[in-house]
Amino acid sequence: DVKVTQSSRYLVKRTGEKVFLECVQDMDHENMFWYRQDPGLGLRLIYFSYDVKMKEKGDIPEGYSVSREKKERFSLILESASTNQTSMYLCASSLTGKRATYEQYFGPGTRLTVT
Amino acid sequence: GENVEQHPSTLSVQEGDSAVIKCTYSDSASNYFPWYKQELGKGPQLIIDIRSNVGEKKDQRIAVTLNKTAKHFSLHITETQPEDSAVYFCAASPTSGGSYIPTFGRGTSLIVHP
Repeated sequence: DVKVTQSSRYLVKRTGEKVFLECVQDMDHENMFWYRQDPGLGLRLIYFSYDVKMKEKGDIPEGYSVSREKKERFSLILESASTNQTSMYLCASSLTGKRATYEQYFGPGTRLTVT
Repeated sequence: GENVEQHPSTLSVQEGDSAVIKCTYSDSASNYFPWYKQELGKGPQLIIDIRSNVGEKKDQRIAVTLNKTAKHFSLHITETQPEDSAVYFCAASPTSGGSYIPTFGRGTSLIVHP
């Protein structure tokens, strides 16, 4: 089974802190995604990556950056956390190219609270 | 870009009843329509999907229908059980070069009362 793991289930940070959220997948997927989930707003795409060192902005990239130095790992960075970034963050991965089935595999989520 | 509307936001049914969740999309190039189920404390998980060359697909108690002309698709759950209680998300997007960047609906919280 595909497994997507996220470094923390719960995280509490202070305003202005630099925050790193880590995601690792074990199935050699090319695509990786970071979503933010808020009640009533569904899943909103922050950034995605289709290859090592490649990244593309999603719908709400402001205040976030990402890093993908290895194929299996995709990091989300909050340079200076703010209270409006309190949310559930979900990582996902998927295949591309000839192996693509288009299914996304999600991690369990990190609930981040910024105080 | 794609815009996906999902209704209702909350659906409450009695065990054994049917549940229907509806989505509409805006981009006529969209050709892949997955449905994800998110149980409490977990990430979403794919439960069924449909491609644009098919009008209906069924998997046991779950079915999805697609009307490309009207740009809407629906999830049907029959004989609901308490374990069907979860948040359900629809999504839509064109596929391009083997990649798929979906736009999600806002989710439907399904509550099945025993």
